[in-house]
Amino acid sequence: DGGITQSPKYLFRKEGQNVTLSCEQNLNHDAMYWYRQDPGQGLRLIYYSQIVNDFQKGDIAEGYSVSREKKESFPLTVTSAQKNPTAFYLCASSPTGGGTEAFFGQGTRLTVV
Amino acid sequence: QQPVQSPQAVILREGEDAVINCSSSKALYSVHWYRQKHGEAPVFLMILLKGGEQKGHEKISASFNEKKQQSSLYLTASQLSYSGTYFCGSYSGANNLFFGTGTRLTVIP
Repeated sequence: DGGITQSPKYLFRKEGQNVTLSCEQNLNHDAMYWYRQDPGQGLRLIYYSQIVNDFQKGDIAEGYSVSREKKESFPLTVTSAQKNPTAFYLCASSPTGGGTEAFFGQGTRLTVV
Repeated sequence: QQPVQSPQAVILREGEDAVINCSSSKALYSVHWYRQKHGEAPVFLMILLKGGEQKGHEKISASFNEKKQQSSLYLTASQLSYSGTYFCGSYSGANNLFFGTGTRLTVIP
Protein backbone atom coordinates (compact mmCIF):
# COMPACT_ATOMS: atom_id res chain seq x y z
CA ASP A 1 0.00 0.00 0.00
CA GLY A 2 1.24 3.45 -0.87
CA GLY A 3 1.53 6.00 1.85
CA ILE A 4 3.63 8.27 3.96
CA THR A 5 5.27 7.00 7.13
CA GLN A 6 6.57 8.98 10.05
CA SER A 7 8.59 7.49 12.83
CA PRO A 8 8.64 7.31 15.73
CA LYS A 9 5.12 8.17 16.86
CA TYR A 10 6.35 9.43 20.24
CA LEU A 11 9.79 10.79 20.98
CA PHE A 12 11.30 12.03 24.22
CA ARG A 13 14.56 13.95 24.33
CA LYS A 14 16.55 15.87 26.85
CA GLU A 15 16.92 19.60 26.43
CA GLY A 16 19.98 20.55 24.38
CA GLN A 17 20.02 17.39 22.26
CA ASN A 18 19.42 17.32 18.52
CA VAL A 19 16.79 14.88 17.33
CA THR A 20 15.85 13.66 13.85
CA LEU A 21 12.31 12.81 12.79
CA SER A 22 11.87 10.43 9.91
CA CYS A 23 9.47 10.85 6.98
CA GLU A 24 9.31 8.34 4.12
CA GLN A 25 6.84 8.14 1.23
CA ASN A 26 6.32 5.56 -1.50
CA LEU A 27 3.80 7.60 -3.47
CA ASN A 28 6.40 8.87 -5.94
CA HIS A 29 5.54 12.43 -4.96
CA ASP A 30 7.90 15.25 -5.84
CA ALA A 31 6.89 17.66 -3.09
CA MET A 32 7.31 17.06 0.63
CA TYR A 33 6.54 19.29 3.61
CA TRP A 34 7.09 19.52 7.35
CA TYR A 35 4.61 21.18 9.68
CA ARG A 36 4.52 21.93 13.34
CA GLN A 37 1.22 21.82 15.21
CA ASP A 38 0.65 23.50 18.55
CA PRO A 39 -2.72 23.76 20.28
CA GLY A 40 -4.77 26.58 18.80
CA GLN A 41 -2.19 27.54 16.17
CA GLY A 42 -3.05 25.34 13.24
CA LEU A 43 -0.38 23.89 10.97
CA ARG A 44 2.72 26.01 10.52
CA LEU A 45 5.13 25.27 7.69
CA ILE A 46 8.71 24.56 8.72
CA TYR A 47 10.38 23.45 5.46
CA TYR A 48 9.30 22.19 2.07
CA SER A 49 11.00 20.55 -0.87
CA GLN A 50 9.85 20.39 -4.48
CA ILE A 51 12.67 18.20 -5.82
CA VAL A 52 15.60 16.15 -4.62
CA ASN A 53 18.54 18.15 -3.25
CA ASP A 54 16.48 21.31 -2.98
CA PHE A 55 14.42 22.67 -0.12
CA GLN A 56 13.05 25.98 1.06
CA LYS A 57 12.36 27.54 4.44
CA GLY A 58 8.81 27.94 5.58
CA ASP A 59 7.44 30.37 8.14
CA ILE A 60 9.14 28.89 11.20
CA ALA A 61 12.42 27.34 9.99
CA GLU A 62 14.65 28.69 12.77
CA GLY A 63 16.09 25.87 14.88
CA TYR A 64 15.29 23.19 12.30
CA SER A 65 17.17 21.60 9.42
CA VAL A 66 16.23 19.16 6.65
CA SER A 67 17.77 17.18 3.83
CA ARG A 68 16.33 15.71 0.63
CA GLU A 69 18.90 13.26 -0.70
CA LYS A 70 16.29 10.83 -2.00
CA LYS A 71 12.85 11.45 -3.46
CA GLU A 72 11.28 9.16 -0.87
CA SER A 73 12.82 10.66 2.24
CA PHE A 74 12.66 14.06 3.92
CA PRO A 75 14.04 13.88 7.48
CA LEU A 76 13.68 16.81 9.88
CA THR A 77 16.27 17.59 12.55
CA VAL A 78 15.18 19.58 15.54
CA THR A 79 18.31 21.25 16.79
CA SER A 80 19.21 22.52 20.23
CA ALA A 81 18.71 26.04 18.84
CA GLN A 82 14.95 25.49 18.70
CA LYS A 83 13.72 27.22 21.83
CA ASN A 84 10.44 25.41 22.28
CA PRO A 85 10.61 22.09 20.42
CA THR A 86 7.84 20.23 22.21
CA ALA A 87 5.06 19.87 19.61
CA PHE A 88 3.28 17.55 17.20
CA TYR A 89 5.13 17.31 13.87
CA LEU A 90 3.44 16.35 10.63
CA CYS A 91 5.02 15.43 7.33
CA ALA A 92 3.10 15.64 4.06
CA SER A 93 3.68 14.99 0.38
CA SER A 94 1.95 15.89 -2.86
CA PRO A 95 2.48 15.02 -6.54
CA THR A 96 3.41 18.58 -7.49
CA GLY A 97 2.83 21.99 -6.04
CA GLY A 98 -0.17 24.07 -6.92
CA GLY A 99 -3.58 22.51 -6.70
CA THR A 100 -2.96 18.92 -5.79
CA GLU A 101 -4.10 16.98 -2.75
CA ALA A 102 -1.57 16.55 0.04
CA PHE A 103 -1.18 13.29 1.94
CA PHE A 104 -0.11 13.33 5.56
CA GLY A 105 1.81 10.97 7.79
CA GLN A 106 0.47 10.03 11.23
CA GLY A 107 2.71 12.53 12.98
CA THR A 108 5.43 12.45 15.62
CA ARG A 109 4.80 13.87 19.06
CA LEU A 110 8.09 15.24 20.36
CA THR A 111 8.50 16.00 24.04
CA VAL A 112 11.65 17.67 25.28
CA VAL A 113 12.29 17.43 29.01
CA GLN B 1 0.68 34.97 7.57
CA GLN B 2 -1.62 32.00 7.97
CA PRO B 3 -5.16 32.29 6.62
CA VAL B 4 -7.51 33.10 9.46
CA GLN B 5 -10.38 30.73 10.07
CA SER B 6 -13.57 31.57 11.91
CA PRO B 7 -14.99 30.55 14.21
CA GLN B 8 -12.04 29.17 16.19
CA ALA B 9 -14.32 26.61 17.80
CA VAL B 10 -17.96 25.61 17.55
CA ILE B 11 -20.20 23.11 19.31
CA LEU B 12 -23.18 21.67 17.47
CA ARG B 13 -25.94 19.26 18.30
CA GLU B 14 -26.46 16.41 15.88
CA GLY B 15 -28.48 17.58 12.91
CA GLU B 16 -27.45 21.23 13.14
CA ASP B 17 -25.63 23.12 10.39
CA ALA B 18 -22.32 24.99 10.51
CA VAL B 19 -20.24 27.28 8.32
CA ILE B 20 -16.48 27.58 8.63
CA ASN B 21 -14.80 30.54 6.96
CA CYS B 22 -11.25 30.90 5.70
CA SER B 23 -9.84 34.33 4.87
CA SER B 24 -6.36 35.00 3.52
CA SER B 25 -4.20 38.09 3.10
CA LYS B 26 -2.27 36.24 0.38
CA ALA B 27 -3.69 35.33 -3.00
CA LEU B 28 -5.30 31.91 -3.02
CA TYR B 29 -4.61 29.90 -6.17
CA SER B 30 -6.65 26.99 -4.95
CA VAL B 31 -8.29 26.05 -1.67
CA HIS B 32 -8.12 22.71 0.07
CA TRP B 33 -10.15 21.56 3.05
CA TYR B 34 -8.98 18.91 5.51
CA ARG B 35 -10.36 17.39 8.70
CA GLN B 36 -8.17 16.14 11.51
CA LYS B 37 -9.25 13.90 14.37
CA HIS B 38 -7.31 14.40 17.59
CA GLY B 39 -3.78 13.00 17.36
CA GLU B 40 -4.28 11.76 13.81
CA ALA B 41 -3.25 12.85 10.33
CA PRO B 42 -5.41 15.42 8.53
CA VAL B 43 -7.64 13.86 5.91
CA PHE B 44 -8.40 15.53 2.60
CA LEU B 45 -12.01 16.60 2.06
CA MET B 46 -12.00 18.56 -1.19
CA ILE B 47 -10.15 21.02 -3.36
CA LEU B 48 -11.48 24.06 -5.21
CA LEU B 49 -9.34 25.17 -8.10
CA LYS B 50 -10.91 28.38 -9.30
CA GLY B 51 -12.89 31.30 -8.06
CA GLY B 52 -16.62 30.84 -8.01
CA GLU B 53 -16.31 27.10 -7.80
CA GLN B 54 -18.55 25.24 -5.42
CA LYS B 55 -17.98 21.64 -4.60
CA GLY B 56 -18.95 18.83 -2.36
CA HIS B 57 -21.90 16.61 -1.79
CA GLU B 58 -25.15 16.90 0.03
CA LYS B 59 -23.82 17.18 3.54
CA ILE B 60 -20.37 18.81 3.18
CA SER B 61 -19.68 21.43 0.54
CA ALA B 62 -17.46 24.45 -0.01
CA SER B 63 -17.24 27.64 -2.00
CA PHE B 64 -14.30 29.75 -3.13
CA ASN B 65 -14.34 33.50 -3.72
CA GLU B 66 -11.02 34.16 -5.39
CA LYS B 67 -11.40 37.95 -5.50
CA LYS B 68 -12.10 38.17 -1.79
CA GLN B 69 -9.43 35.54 -1.03
CA GLN B 70 -11.99 33.64 0.98
CA SER B 71 -13.47 30.18 1.15
CA SER B 72 -16.27 28.71 3.21
CA LEU B 73 -17.03 25.12 4.24
CA TYR B 74 -20.66 24.19 4.80
CA LEU B 75 -21.66 21.25 6.98
CA THR B 76 -25.33 20.39 7.02
CA ALA B 77 -27.25 18.00 9.27
CA SER B 78 -24.07 17.36 11.26
CA GLN B 79 -23.23 13.89 12.50
CA LEU B 80 -21.06 12.83 15.43
CA SER B 81 -18.39 11.72 12.94
CA TYR B 82 -17.98 15.34 11.77
CA SER B 83 -16.18 16.24 15.00
CA GLY B 84 -12.58 17.27 14.53
CA THR B 85 -10.45 20.22 13.55
CA TYR B 86 -10.97 21.62 10.07
CA PHE B 87 -8.21 23.33 8.12
CA CYS B 88 -8.24 25.29 4.92
CA GLY B 89 -5.05 25.22 2.89
CA SER B 90 -3.61 26.75 -0.25
CA TYR B 91 -0.48 26.97 -2.34
CA SER B 92 1.39 30.24 -2.72
CA GLY B 93 3.14 31.29 -5.88
CA ALA B 94 6.28 29.59 -4.55
CA ASN B 95 4.41 26.28 -4.39
CA ASN B 96 4.57 26.01 -0.64
CA LEU B 97 1.44 24.58 0.92
CA PHE B 98 0.20 26.70 3.82
CA PHE B 99 -2.74 26.15 6.14
CA GLY B 100 -5.19 28.18 8.13
CA THR B 101 -5.44 28.53 11.88
CA GLY B 102 -8.00 25.73 12.20
CA THR B 103 -11.57 25.43 13.48
CA ARG B 104 -12.39 22.92 16.18
CA LEU B 105 -15.83 21.43 15.61
CA THR B 106 -17.56 19.32 18.25
CA VAL B 107 -20.83 17.55 17.55
CA ILE B 108 -22.77 16.36 20.58
CA PRO B 109 -25.79 14.04 20.73
